[in-house]
Parts: sequence; C-alpha cells; structure tokens
Amino acid sequence: EVQLLESGGGLVQPGGSLRLSCAVSGFTVSSYAMSWVRQAPGKGLDWVSALSAGGGNTYYADSVKGRFTISRDNSKSTLYLQMNSLRAEDTAVYYCAKRAVGRSYYFDLWGQGTLVTVSS
Amino acid sequence: QSVLTQPPSASGTPGQRVTISCSGSSSNIGSNTVNWYQQLPGTAPKLLIYSNDQRPSGVPDRFSGSKSGTSASLAISGLQSEDEADYYCAAWDDSLSGVVFGGGTKLTVL
Repeated sequence: EVQLLESGGGLVQPGGSLRLSCAVSGFTVSSYAMSWVRQAPGKGLDWVSALSAGGGNTYYADSVKGRFTISRDNSKSTLYLQMNSLRAEDTAVYYCAKRAVGRSYYFDLWGQGTLVTVSS
Repeated sequence: QSVLTQPPSASGTPGQRVTISCSGSSSNIGSNTVNWYQQLPGTAPKLLIYSNDQRPSGVPDRFSGSKSGTSASLAISGLQSEDEADYYCAAWDDSLSGVVFGGGTKLTVL
C-alpha cells in the first residue's frame, strides 16, 4: 500500500530542536520530490520545504530558512525534517507530502501528520 | 496573510452549486497550474483537482476546476453534506521558489 507515516513530533521548548521522520511505503522515495507542509492550530496550510527527486535541490520557506533542514535516507525509505531554533510560531501539525510526477507541482499523497508544540 | 486569496467561507444547501475563488499573481497562478485540496474535519488534506481542471481517480465529477489569468475557481455541483470541509488552492510560485497556498475556504452545507 502506498503510504506516508510521520513521527517525531512532541513538546519542545523555544530554542530547542526536533527531527521529524516520514516513513515511505509502496514507492521508491528517491524517485519523487517530497515536501513538508504544516498547519498551525485552526489555521491554513503552509508549505515548509521541498527536496527534489534525487535529492540534488532543496527549497525552504523564508520563515524556516536557516533553521530547518530537509533530507532523505533512501536505504531507510524515510524523509526527514531537522528543526532547530524552534519558535512558538512553529507550533503546527507537520505533514509530509509526495509530489506527483510531471510539470505541474502538486501533492498526490499526504501523511496523517505529526504535532509539534513549541512551548515553555 | 496568504499569497493566494480565497474567501474564508462559503455555504449552500444540498443539491446547490457553489463556487470558491482563488486569486493570485503572475508569479504563481499566472504562470503555473492551480491545484485544489479538500480537508475534511480532523483529517489530512487530500488532492481534489490538479493541473487547473483535472480530477484524480475517485473524485466525483461534481467537482470541477478552472483557471483564467491569475485567478482560479473550484465549483461543486449537486452539493452533498459530505462536502462540508475546508478547501485550499495552491500553486508553485516562481518568485518565492516554493508552493503557495490560499488561506482556505470553509464550506458549510446548510
């Protein structure tokens, strides 16, 4: 079954770090571009970061540039998001999403999300 | 403040047709395709419309999308109670080198 399963969320203090994981099943993670999208409580969707198929290119929203790092371990079929210098405004459900193949940029598969809470 | 602009709410009665608008600029909708996602309460988003007007397998043909210039629309005909959800438009933005979303539209079926 084609599936994305996030983990690693939790409560962290401001300034702290957390690493999110997204376990991929049913397809080869290295063959597709992947992204992280977050949703603050009661708010809309907010794109965070993307990793190209093959891993050569990374993209970040200005709000997380320099603090977050997206990466992938092909041997473990897992996508990661390393989050450093966390702020209260980073509190959100974090979803990993698979980009569909083709010219259009859209996500055809989403995980169920993992909640990150940044609070003292 | 979202890069793409959607109305915060929309409503209709069962069987009605409703439309949700999405306004952007030349760097996003004006030069890239628009996609729509449906988020049912308490669940992850799901792809509803891609490449402006294409429906993934399994999405009823009651849902349709269109794009003109720097704006796009999602239309839902024959409204059903299970359509009550949040709807988001999205597109790649060439200036930001990232995906931009609308603020979301909460659809209520009266």
